[in-house]
Amino acid sequence: ETGVTQTPRHLVMGMTNKKSLKCEQHLGHNAMYWYKQSAKKPLELMFVYNFKEQTENNSVPSRFSPECPNSSHLFLHLHTLQPEDSALYLCASSQEASGGPKVETQYFGPGTRLLVL
Amino acid sequence: AQKITQTQPGMFVQEKEAVTLDCTYDTSDPSYGLFWYKQPSSGEMIFLIYQGSYDQQNATEGRYSLNFQKARKSANLVISASQLGDSAMYFCAMREATGGFKTIFGAGTRLFVKA
Repeated sequence: ETGVTQTPRHLVMGMTNKKSLKCEQHLGHNAMYWYKQSAKKPLELMFVYNFKEQTENNSVPSRFSPECPNSSHLFLHLHTLQPEDSALYLCASSQEASGGPKVETQYFGPGTRLLVL
Repeated sequence: AQKITQTQPGMFVQEKEAVTLDCTYDTSDPSYGLFWYKQPSSGEMIFLIYQGSYDQQNATEGRYSLNFQKARKSANLVISASQLGDSAMYFCAMREATGGFKTIFGAGTRLFVKA
């Protein structure tokens, strides 16, 4: 496997279900991200993990729960979702410098298309 | 505040011709990076090209080049010799050096390549 992988690629779930999205990066990066892409809306950053520490949570509802057990793996746990949560969920990774302002490229996975019924 | 504007919702280009996708941005940070990504119908966001705010020359990657006009705050993507496989959504994005991990994306331009 190379780059950033995501599973599953497609997911249909009911509002009372609990499911998890998985992301794995094979690039040796130290930061990982969850983005949400809804129809007709720009890409929205949800969570950021840098060196396994969550550094950003952009006002995401608590029904989305991220987990980063190590620098290569990132999960998004889903529970009691709403139909408006249906979207493409993209994972990304980057190699961030430990000190000083830098601008690093983020590399994305193929995404999980989520449909909440 | 960060802002990315892509004014072309859709573009058509004839196969083998060149096409320019527009992007303007707004930032008060002197150090920033500009990115272009391609998103085919499969959904994956594919990194194409990067331009740093202090780079003296326009970035190029194969058939992709970035027309960087700093004073105008524009970062247009030029695709030369278009191919049918270039049909996709294209997103311009920006990240400020002092903005943490946040990358701001534009609304995108859908490119259609005609045979």
